[in-house]
Formats: sequence, structure tokens, C-alpha cells
Amino acid sequence: GAVVSQHPSRVICKSGTSVKIECRSLDFQATTMFWYRQFPKQSLMLMATSNEGSKATYEQGVEKDKFLINHASLTLSTLTVTSAHPEDSSFYICSARDPHTQYFGPGTRLTVL
Amino acid sequence: DAKTTQPPSMDCAEGRAANLPCNHSTISGNEYVYWYRQIHSQGPQYIIHGLKNNETNEMASLIITEDRKSSTLILPHATLRDTAVYYCIVRANNNAGNMLTFGGGTRLMVKP
Repeated sequence: GAVVSQHPSRVICKSGTSVKIECRSLDFQATTMFWYRQFPKQSLMLMATSNEGSKATYEQGVEKDKFLINHASLTLSTLTVTSAHPEDSSFYICSARDPHTQYFGPGTRLTVL
Repeated sequence: DAKTTQPPSMDCAEGRAANLPCNHSTISGNEYVYWYRQIHSQGPQYIIHGLKNNETNEMASLIITEDRKSSTLILPHATLRDTAVYYCIVRANNNAGNMLTFGGGTRLMVKP
């Protein structure tokens, strides 16, 4: 199946700093990518839909000024968590679609101290 | 997207078949049934999907009832590495922007 990569796999940062997470579709082009967040013992929750060349669409309750999404090419989307706080500590997972199936990256574990 | 109902947890003996049920009684005619699994601390892994015919691949088989209101994912010979949370999701494929919405899934524990 298609491959989606994420970088970094885990990051620890101080409160107040910004963290950028990259998501790449390695063997297909994705006009749309998705960003999910998963807290311990919970299911994945969609944060936003990232569209190449246009603004992202955010789910209700997700602050667009805090979670900046850039989808500058058909194979790369980035999520920047700005001014991170401990409550932003979570497992962030990106996803990309080919015409038939949605594939997921391995996830990024963010810990904010 | 139609809502799905899955048992929260199941156990299976290693080497035996694992049969994971999913109810999707409000599924629409253009919605597919997708199965993913998530092993601890990893991203979800695609397993299989189907519309109305039964499907089989190297990982699993998907059996969809004739009325399409339920389905069963079958792992024919479960191994310890199949321990994971399995998600059944229904979604139409007619829009590239359609994302997958995850429910609670079934936590499958394969025991030696």
C-alpha cells in the first residue's frame, strides 16, 4: 500500500515554544491531507483537512491560529503547534488519500513540559 | 457518514481465527466499509475495504451481509502481533475530501 511518513516521530519541547510536524506522501500525490490528534486511551479525532494550495478546514473547537497548517505541495503538509502548552501533549497523526484509500503516517508523539 | 457499532473488546487464542463484527445499519448505497487497525503507539494501518461483495487480501477477509447492515473482519490465523484496536468505518468514496471518522473500535487481544 501507499506510504505516508511523518517527522519527527517524537518531540519534547518547553511550554511556549512552537513545534513543526511534517507529513509526506511518498509514492503518490495528495491534494488533500488530514491531521488527527489522539489522547491516551481515546480514538483519533480529526483536527483539520489540509488542501494543497488553499486554506485548511478546521474542525469545530480546533484553533486555526494555534495549529497552523501549510500544504505547499502535493506531497507535503506541515502542522505547526504554536506556543505549545502541556495540554497540547498528544499523538498527532497525518493521513493522505489516494483515489481509493486513506493511508496514515506513523504518528508524532508531542510532549510539552 | 453512517455510524458503526463494534464490541469494545475481544480475546482470541493465537493460531485461531479472529472474527470481528461491525454493525452499520444506516449505511447508504454509496458507502464502503473500511477496516483499519492501530497497534499501540503507531498510526492506523489499512486492512481491507469493500462495498457489497466479500473481499480477501493477504491480511484478512471481509464478509458483508447481503443487506449490508453488518460486516465481519476475519483474521484467519491470529498471531500475537495482531493484538491491536480494530476500527470499522463506513464512508462514501465520491469525494476526495471525505475523511475517515473513527469510533471506539474493538480492542483485540491475541493470547498465547
